[in-house]
Amino acid sequence: DQQVKQNSPSLSVQEGRISILNCDYTNSMFDYFLWYKKYPAEGPTFLISISSIKDKNEDGRFTVFLNKSAKHLSLHIVPSQPGDSAVYFCAAIRVRKTGTASKLTFGTGTRLQVTL
Amino acid sequence: EAQVTQNPRYLITVTGKKLTVTCSQNMNHEYMSWYRQDPGLGLRQIYYSMNVEVTDKGDVPEGYKVSRKEKRNFPLILESPSPNQTSLYFCASSSSGTSGILAKNIQYFGAGTRLSVL
Repeated sequence: DQQVKQNSPSLSVQEGRISILNCDYTNSMFDYFLWYKKYPAEGPTFLISISSIKDKNEDGRFTVFLNKSAKHLSLHIVPSQPGDSAVYFCAAIRVRKTGTASKLTFGTGTRLQVTL
Repeated sequence: EAQVTQNPRYLITVTGKKLTVTCSQNMNHEYMSWYRQDPGLGLRQIYYSMNVEVTDKGDVPEGYKVSRKEKRNFPLILESPSPNQTSLYFCASSSSGTSGILAKNIQYFGAGTRLSVL
């Protein structure tokens, strides 16, 4: 059962335009949502996160929006740059009662290509 | 430089030949985890460890073993590899110390090990 879904396997955007990557989830108990970025031959690296009690978090060119009622989040990249070309994974965490680290539940990823 | 190091990066083996993929982190992290990435399935957790000598199963533990004898190392062992274990494997770690809740859950990943079992 895929609790975190990224329904678009790929996305192509022109340089300078907005990239919007989408993610849907089914478990309303998730506490945090994270976006990871992955370049070929490298491991995923943390990009940005949002708490389930927030609806927006912004960090430079990257903004994540959360719509809890729709169980949907999106990552906006503005403006998109060629170096943003990578696979983006949405991930979710349900925090343990002890507060210690938890498992990341990942989506299947979206490959973003930013063209010149 | 803070990092998670996996070895080997690439491995081709045959069915039934025991292998170990090593993972080491230099950040003094308590939590370590193994994931496998397969097309259309994203990353799925195999095993994790909350600290030395504390390990537990993730979502897809069948066919794998782990150990955590030292804080920095978390090897993944395939006692009798099979072709369905052909995959891209990632080790990750995070700090469970005095960090905030979100900081505890930001995991740092190694570069990956691509395994082919023939």
